[in-house]
Amino acid sequence: AAGVIQSPRHLIKEKRETATLKCYPIPRHDTVYWYQQGPGQDPQFLISFYEKMQSDKGSIPDRFSAQQFSDYHSELNMSSLELGDSALYFCASSPVAQGNYEQYFGPGTRLTVT
Amino acid sequence: KQEVTQIPAALSVPEGENLVLNCSFTDSAIYNLQWFRQDPGKGLTSLLLIQSSQREQTSGRLNASLDKSSGRSTLYIAASQPGDSATYLCAPSRGGGADGLTFGKGTHLIIQP
Repeated sequence: AAGVIQSPRHLIKEKRETATLKCYPIPRHDTVYWYQQGPGQDPQFLISFYEKMQSDKGSIPDRFSAQQFSDYHSELNMSSLELGDSALYFCASSPVAQGNYEQYFGPGTRLTVT
Repeated sequence: KQEVTQIPAALSVPEGENLVLNCSFTDSAIYNLQWFRQDPGKGLTSLLLIQSSQREQTSGRLNASLDKSSGRSTLYIAASQPGDSATYLCAPSRGGGADGLTFGKGTHLIIQP
């Protein structure tokens, strides 16, 4: 079965640079979620989109922005990167319009800021 | 703000044992609760989703129960196997639809062969 696809899988950036993470949800899933998991930490919810509209917002820094496109893929844009942004970034998807709210996670993007 | 606590934080047992992992949450106004497993450095695999109107949900050797009013959920693993070794996370969702999950810090489980 198709899963959530995230790219790139690994990314190394320097402080103050920008990064863009991409997420391709499972086919026919209309909702995308972004999470950040720091080393040894539990995942923290950042933001979600349903049918291309922002739906819920968590602890997303102002330096980060995200959007969902017409083909339902999503991008997380991160600017002025800090050392503390080094983490695993997960995307998850759900077919909410079908009444299924179970979240299916992708393999993650490991971001290292040096 | 929802706070999720998982007990025990770590557990190491010989294979074949039946296990109980506990999850408690402070805000009982949840819509559903998911249990995940996470292998080191990997993504999260959904194990079970239990709706707030349900008391139990089963998948194979796994059984999750939910007592919404008391803010508790339990994951029962029957006949544990070394392949069950992972970190288990519970995550309640306060609303339906596209609401984000709040995670506990997980139970790190090791099943000894």
